[in-house]
Formats: sequence, C-alpha cells, structure tokens
Amino acid sequence: ETGVTQTPRHLVMGMTNKKSLKCEQHLGHNAMYWYKQSAKKPLELMFVYSLEERVENNSVPSRFSPECPNSSHLFLHLHTLQPEDSALYLCASSLAGTGANVLTFGAGSRLTVL
Amino acid sequence: QQQVKQSPQSLIVQKGGISIINCAYENTAFDYFPWYQQFPGKGPALLIAIRPDVSEKKEGRFTISFNKSAKQFSLHIMDSQPGDSATYFCAASGGATNKLIFGTGTLLAVQP
Repeated sequence: ETGVTQTPRHLVMGMTNKKSLKCEQHLGHNAMYWYKQSAKKPLELMFVYSLEERVENNSVPSRFSPECPNSSHLFLHLHTLQPEDSALYLCASSLAGTGANVLTFGAGSRLTVL
Repeated sequence: QQQVKQSPQSLIVQKGGISIINCAYENTAFDYFPWYQQFPGKGPALLIAIRPDVSEKKEGRFTISFNKSAKQFSLHIMDSQPGDSATYFCAASGGATNKLIFGTGTLLAVQP
C-alpha cells in the first residue's frame, strides 16, 4: 500500500457510458496527477493539480474531465470514450516545492472500452 | 527534445547476473534522473535517483551510472534475483516545468 488508493481497480464500459475514476491520498501531498499507461509507450501525463488548481492539461480530449475537490482527492470523469482509450490510468501525488519531483503512484485503474 | 529514450525493451537475465538498462536524453536542462520499478498489478515506485553533479549512485544492488557529456544514464542491477523481475522506467525532469518525462520501460525477467 503506497498511500495512494485508486478505485475501481478494473472498469469495463461502453462507448456511450459515463463513469468516474477516483484517487485518494493521505500522504500530506499537495500535488496530484493523472497518467495514462499504454503498452510500449512512455507514461503519458494527462493532468496536474497543484494546491487544488489545475496547472497542466496535456492536450487531453474533452471526453476526459478531471476534478480535484481538495488536496486529498482526485477524480477523472469519463464519457463517450473510444476503444483506443483502453489503458491503465495511474494517479500519483507529490509534495510540490521540495526540489526533487518524487511521485507516489497508486496501483492504477484498468479501463477497457468496448 | 523532451523525450527520454530507453533500451532494451525487454531483458532476460540469469539469477546472479548483472542487468543493465540504458537511457538517453536531449534536454540539457534536465537535472533529476529517477528510476521507477513497477511490479504487475502495482503502480511504479521510485527505486533510485541521481542528480548530474555525481557520476554514480549506489543503493544496495542497484547503481545508477550517469554520463553528462553523452547525455546518458543507466541502471545496473548486480546479483539479479527473480524478485527483481519487473518493468523499469527511467525518467528525467528539470527546466521551467519540472515535469517528469518517462522512458518507454524495460521488462526485466530474471530466470532462476
């Protein structure tokens, strides 16, 4: 257990469904991230929240919508996804402003879009 | 220029052998080079990291070698064990955004 908890661990959804991924950390970190992990590709940074404010959005399609209600929780809302969006979605957190960018990852949510 | 190139894609090593994974970068503003280890069903976890003011860092059986002039760094796993079987990612960060840029990963299998 890393201190970053992601739910659900597995999700199967149709292209017309709406679902959400949840991430929770109790490490006292003040920055949270969503990454997409696909086979044979680098980890792709999707969104960054620092002090609950979105500071980065890496040209992610609007069918992915992040939400960070407080420094401990992060959501990724999903709607009208495509099959190519099937991947492992990783949440991470860090203590921003400490120099080294040390990320603590959750175990991920495996998403399958049919 | 933001890429980190990692090789090999996969690696098979006998127990007790040395595993070597290489990474190369272009952005000279990078000043932090971590390695992450990921076991099946888990997220990546920080294994070891180095800054460019030293050429080598060792923690137990894991060593990072860093060549600033060649813009390359590598992970060496000495006396590799079956429990080391995992995917290893190199990464780099630095400059204005301090964003971590990851390599494509190396799947290491250590055979007993």
